[in-house]
Amino acid sequence: AQSVSQHNHHVILSEAASLELGCNYSYGGTVNLFWYVQYPGQHLQLLLKYFSGDPLVKGIKGFEAEFIKSKFSFNLRKPSVQWSDTAEYFCAVKSSASKIIFGSGTRLSIRP
Amino acid sequence: DAGVIQSPRHEVTEMGQEVTLRCKPISGHNSLFWYRQTMMRGLELLIYFNNNVPIDDSGMPEDRFSAKMPNASFSTLKIQPSEPRDSAVYFCASTLSGGQGAYEQFFGPGTRLTVL
Repeated sequence: AQSVSQHNHHVILSEAASLELGCNYSYGGTVNLFWYVQYPGQHLQLLLKYFSGDPLVKGIKGFEAEFIKSKFSFNLRKPSVQWSDTAEYFCAVKSSASKIIFGSGTRLSIRP
Repeated sequence: DAGVIQSPRHEVTEMGQEVTLRCKPISGHNSLFWYRQTMMRGLELLIYFNNNVPIDDSGMPEDRFSAKMPNASFSTLKIQPSEPRDSAVYFCASTLSGGQGAYEQFFGPGTRLTVL
């Protein structure tokens, strides 16, 4: 069965630090990949998505993610975080039908 | 577009009462999803519909939970009878399945349910 793993449950960084959140999935076929963000008290919003083409995907607010097929990974990066990036981040994969599988989420806390 | 609309935004009820959560997907979307989010279990998919038909309800925790989608613009999630452990935020999401740009899910604001 397909699954999504986010190994970091809680990441704490200082402002201006670089960010990388890990995401690995298990599925051998064609996948669509997503990163969603949930700000405190709000609903999930799409940060970026990968369907095909350039494996380096740029999203909103300076985020990017790289699809590495050989590693089954889709890590999220940002070169310099801000306090407003404090949120929970969810990686998700769609491989069949309409169902998307979400990871367990990574809580990001930024120290001002 | 108003996005996915959920009501109520907050619900506080007593154990044993029936709870009905409502969702209006984005117009034109043909897939609808109900999720539950708790601190303990994170985001769980409860059920999803394609063209108003339930496709996968394996995430529905118990028979106390039921969901319907009588038409393309409305869905309900009902809990009867409710229990304190049902307290969570319930999200509805919709998407347009098929074709380029498909499968990005748009989430509603959620319903925060508290069962006393």
